[in-house]
Amino acid sequence: GAVVSQHPSRVICKSGTSVKIECRSLDFQATTMFWYRQFPKQSLMLMATSNEGSKATYEQGVEKDKFLINHASLTLSTLTVTSAHPEDSSFYICSVLGTANTEAFFGQGTRLTVV
Amino acid sequence: GENVEQHPSTLSVQEGDSAVIKCTYSDSASNYFPWYKQELGKRPQLIIDIRSNVGEKKDQRIAVTLNKTAKHFSLHITETQPEDSAVYFCAASIRSSGDKLTFGTGTRLAVRP
Repeated sequence: GAVVSQHPSRVICKSGTSVKIECRSLDFQATTMFWYRQFPKQSLMLMATSNEGSKATYEQGVEKDKFLINHASLTLSTLTVTSAHPEDSSFYICSVLGTANTEAFFGQGTRLTVV
Repeated sequence: GENVEQHPSTLSVQEGDSAVIKCTYSDSASNYFPWYKQELGKRPQLIIDIRSNVGEKKDQRIAVTLNKTAKHFSLHITETQPEDSAVYFCAASIRSSGDKLTFGTGTRLAVRP
């Protein structure tokens, strides 16, 4: 299956600063990647669909100007949390779809803490 | 859009007993239903999945059933072991349409030794 690497695994930042999270598909060219957010003891909520070479598609209620997504290559998508606030503290996970009719593969997640 | 409901939210069973988790979905176009196991602070791991052309699928102690008419699917774990303790999520997607997964709310399973 596809190997998905997410970096960093943990990050602490100050309120008002920006944080970039990388999601790499190490052995598979991914035209589409997905970004999820998971608050403690809650489910994974899809934030946006990242499309290589085009604009990301955001889910309802997700601010595109706050959560900037860039998918410049078939192996890398980045999520930048801009002007972070404590309420943005969460577990962010990316996923990649394998070839048709295979499972979704997840990165190891990034624990963001905004202080 | 798709809405997936999952029950129960918590489940405690004695080691060796069976555990059943149920999910319902709203979009009749959904045709792919995976189940994930997530341990604390880790990524979700696929444990089994089923597609709409199949009613039941089994892999050792784990089985999934799908009722497309009623729009519900269930996870069955037999002979539970303490290492089965985790949070389990069901999900649904339309494989031909962006394939984004909509997750259920999760079930925290505790297996008592």
